[in-house]
Amino acid sequence: DVKVTQSSRYLVKRTGEKVFLECVQDMDHENMFWYRQDPGLGLRLIYFSYDVKMKEKGDIPEGYSVSREKKERFSLILESASTNQTSMYLCASSWNWGENYNEQFFGPGTRLTVL
Amino acid sequence: SQQGEEDPQALSIQEGENATMNCSYKTSINNLQWYRQNSGRGLVHLILIRSNEREKHSGRLRVTLDTSKKSSSLLITASRAADTASYFCATDAPYNTDKLIFGTGTRLQVFP
Repeated sequence: DVKVTQSSRYLVKRTGEKVFLECVQDMDHENMFWYRQDPGLGLRLIYFSYDVKMKEKGDIPEGYSVSREKKERFSLILESASTNQTSMYLCASSWNWGENYNEQFFGPGTRLTVL
Repeated sequence: SQQGEEDPQALSIQEGENATMNCSYKTSINNLQWYRQNSGRGLVHLILIRSNEREKHSGRLRVTLDTSKKSSSLLITASRAADTASYFCATDAPYNTDKLIFGTGTRLQVFP
């Protein structure tokens, strides 16, 4: 079974702190994604990575950065957390080849609260 | 930007009834997928239907796709309380098919 894990299920941080969210997948997927999910807004893509050290901005990259130094690991960084970044953060991964190439596998999510 | 819009936003039914959710999208697609999310958890892939397919089945799930109307429906037959969850459609992005664009979801409540 594909497994995508996220470093924390719940996280509470203070405004201005630097926050690291880690995601690890064990299926050798090329693609990895970070989304945030807010009520009424659905899932919005923050960043996408299609290979090690490669990244692409999603729809809402402002206030976030990412790092992919190893194929299995994709980190989301909040350089200076703000209250409007309180949200559920979801990591996902997928292959970029094959019959169901863009089927995404999700981690359990991290609920981040910024005070 | 949202590609898929689900309808209804919320649905409440009794166990044993069928649940139908609809999804509309805006641009041409290669495939459309449905995902399920239990409260406070990650999404789980349910089914994928390609643009050249009209209907697909998986267990109690039936998905239809009408590319001329840019719409899809997900039917869950003989629903169970355990089907209570949010359901999302997702289409591949027009400019990058590795990416998905998700709708806002339908919240399904199945009462025992």
